Amino acid sequence: EVQLVQSGAEVKKPGESLKISCKGSGYSFTTYWIGWVRQMPGKGLEWMGIIYPGDSDTRYSPSFQGQVTISADKSITTAYLKWSSLKASDTAMYYCARHGISMVRGVIINDYGMDVWGQGTAVTVSS
Amino acid sequence: QSALTQPPSASGSPGQSVTISCTGTRSDVGGYNYVSWYQQHPGKAPKLMIYEVSKRPSGVPDRFSGSKSGNTASLTVSGLQAEDEADYYCSSYAGSNRVFGGGTKLTV
Repeated sequence: EVQLVQSGAEVKKPGESLKISCKGSGYSFTTYWIGWVRQMPGKGLEWMGIIYPGDSDTRYSPSFQGQVTISADKSITTAYLKWSSLKASDTAMYYCARHGISMVRGVIINDYGMDVWGQGTAVTVSS
Repeated sequence: QSALTQPPSASGSPGQSVTISCTGTRSDVGGYNYVSWYQQHPGKAPKLMIYEVSKRPSGVPDRFSGSKSGNTASLTVSGLQAEDEADYYCSSYAGSNRVFGGGTKLTV
C-alpha cells in the first residue's frame, strides 16, 4: 500500500525550533516529488514547497522562502519540514503529499497532481 | 503570488449538477494545462479529484469533470450526492511553484 505517514502533533513555544517528518512507503520514494501544504485553523490550503528526494531539488513558494526548510533523506524514505524559530502564526495543520511530475530537460510534460497525502501534523505555537 | 479565485460557496440539490470556477492569470491557470482539484471533508486530508485540467485518477467517479477556458478552470459535479458535500480547492502550476485557490464549500 502506498502511504505517507507523518510525525505526531507538536506543541511548541515561540522562538523554538521544530522539524516534522513524512515517511513514504509502498512506492519508489526517489521518483516522486513530495510537497508540503499548510492549512491554518479554519482556512484554506497553502502550497509551501516541494522536494525531489532523488536529487534533493527543492522549490519554495515565495511566501515561505526563508521561513522554512524542506529536506529529504532518501535512505530512510523520509521528507522533512523544519522551522528554526517558530511564531504563533505558524500554528496550523501541515500536510505532506506525493506529487507525480514528469520532466524532460527541466520542462514539465506531465503533472499527475498530489495523489497521496499524509494524515497531517498539527503544530501549535503558544507561549 | 496571489491565490487563485474561487467562489466561497456553492450548492445544489441531490441529483443536480454544480460547477465551481477557479480564476487565475496567464502566469498560472491560463499558461499551463496543469490544474488539479482537491476535495476535503472536515478533519480529513485532501483528496485528488482531477489533474491536468480534466483527467480523473483511478477511483474518482465520472460524475466529477474538469475543464478550462482561458484563465478560468472549472470543476463540475453531476448527479450530486450527499457525500459530495465538502470543500473543494483548485491548484495550478505557476512556473517553478504552485498556487491553490481559496476553496469553495459545496453544500448538497
